[in-house]
Amino acid sequence: NFMLTQPHSVSESPGKTVTISCTRSSGSIASNYVQWYQQRPGSAPTTVIYEDNQRPSGVPDRFSGSIDSSSNSASLTISGLKTEDEADYYCQSYDSSAWVFGGGTKLTVL
Amino acid sequence: EVQLVESGGGLVQPGGSLRLSCAASGFTFSSYEMNWVRQAPGKGLEWVSYISSSGSTIYYADSVKGRFTISRDNAKNSLYLQMNSLRAEDTAVYYCVVGAARWWFDPWGQGTLVTVSS
Repeated sequence: NFMLTQPHSVSESPGKTVTISCTRSSGSIASNYVQWYQQRPGSAPTTVIYEDNQRPSGVPDRFSGSIDSSSNSASLTISGLKTEDEADYYCQSYDSSAWVFGGGTKLTVL
Repeated sequence: EVQLVESGGGLVQPGGSLRLSCAASGFTFSSYEMNWVRQAPGKGLEWVSYISSSGSTIYYADSVKGRFTISRDNAKNSLYLQMNSLRAEDTAVYYCVVGAARWWFDPWGQGTLVTVSS
C-alpha cells in the first residue's frame, strides 16, 4: 500500500492564502481520487474537498483542491483565511480495498 | 437529516472484547457502504473496516484483521464492530462513517471512545 505525507503544521495570518500538500509515496496521485477533511477540536471530521477538487454544498469557495502529477501530490488551498479555518486537515485516498489517510496538518491562523 | 449515533465504547482490559454499534437514520441505510475509522488520542485518522451495502464484501486494516468483525443489520439500520483481543494500541475514538462513494467518507458520526487499559 501507499502512504500520504503531509506537513505537520502550517500557519498564516487572517486574510492570507495557505496551501497544504499531500504527497503520495507510490503509484500515481492521479489514479485515485483525493479527499480533504477538516477536523476542529472535539469534533468529527467533515469534508471540504472530494474527488480532487469538488466542494460539498456549504463549503465556501475559499477552499479549493488540485493534484499535480509532476510532484505526485495533491494540494488544499484556503484563501482569505479566517480564524474559524484553524483546524486539522487530512488528505485521504483509496486504492484496491485500502483507504489511506495522510498524517494530518495543523493549520494555525494567527 | 443524516444521523449516525455510535455507542458501546468504554474501558476494557487488554485481551478483552467490546461491541460497538452505530444507529443510522435520515437516509436509506441499506443502499450505502459503511466504514469504521478510528483516531487514537492526539493522533491522526486510521481506516479500520469496510462493509458493502448488502454485507457481502468486507475489508479490514491489517492492524485489526483477525481480531475485529464488522457487520450490519439493514432491517435495523445499524452497523456493528465486534472487537476481540483488544490491545492498548486499539485505544481510540471510533467513528461510524458512510461511504458517500467507495473512495469518500461522508458523513461521520460523533464517535465513541474505546480505552484499553488495565
